[in-house]
Amino acid sequence: NAGVTQTPKFQVLKTGQSMTLQCAQDMNHNSMYWYRQDPGMGLRLIYYSASEGTTDKGEVPNGYNVSRLNKREFSLRLESAAPSQTSVYFCASSEAVADTDTQYFGPGTRLTVL
Amino acid sequence: AQSVAQPEDQVNVAEGNPLTVKCTYSVSGNPYLFWYVQYPNRGLQFLLKYITGDNLVKGSYGFEAEFNKSQTSFHLKKPSALVSDSALYFCAVRDSGSARQLTFGSGTQLTVLP
Repeated sequence: NAGVTQTPKFQVLKTGQSMTLQCAQDMNHNSMYWYRQDPGMGLRLIYYSASEGTTDKGEVPNGYNVSRLNKREFSLRLESAAPSQTSVYFCASSEAVADTDTQYFGPGTRLTVL
Repeated sequence: AQSVAQPEDQVNVAEGNPLTVKCTYSVSGNPYLFWYVQYPNRGLQFLLKYITGDNLVKGSYGFEAEFNKSQTSFHLKKPSALVSDSALYFCAVRDSGSARQLTFGSGTQLTVLP
């Protein structure tokens, strides 16, 4: 039982390049999330998917797109990377988007945009 | 709107001494409160949560947190700190009535000195 896995662990991009961050969970959770973590700012929600086939914007969605490929997988795409998107990205999952549900996090992807 | 504050960026404590990491929150409805810990280059790990009931919540690794409604606080505590407790701690809140997103504090770096 691996929990939440993310690939890649590290990535360096040039401004304007595109890439997709992959996330998968094996806990049969319905809801999945993408966050970014910046120093001194905690975690900020980019997008989430309450269930398979649905996605919604979070606090900071600009410059990102997501795809809920199936119940297990939720990907985050940067179409044209900018230096402001340099950050650590975390994927999380929970049984449902319920107020009381605990979110479980992956190990993160450290992205640098030059 | 919901918000959470961690007033201390850094907390230092000697091994064996009690530790407290502070968290205050603001919500319009009932709060659901969470504590997570992040070790270097790792994802966030769930420690404990308050939903309802007893104000003292016990969690993983000997941590506990006390919910105080009048002071709108949810401080994390441990009776005897270990060097291995050194990590970054995040408090998070969700408002029962108005928001689905989990809002994180900016984090508190705990250092336990041997």
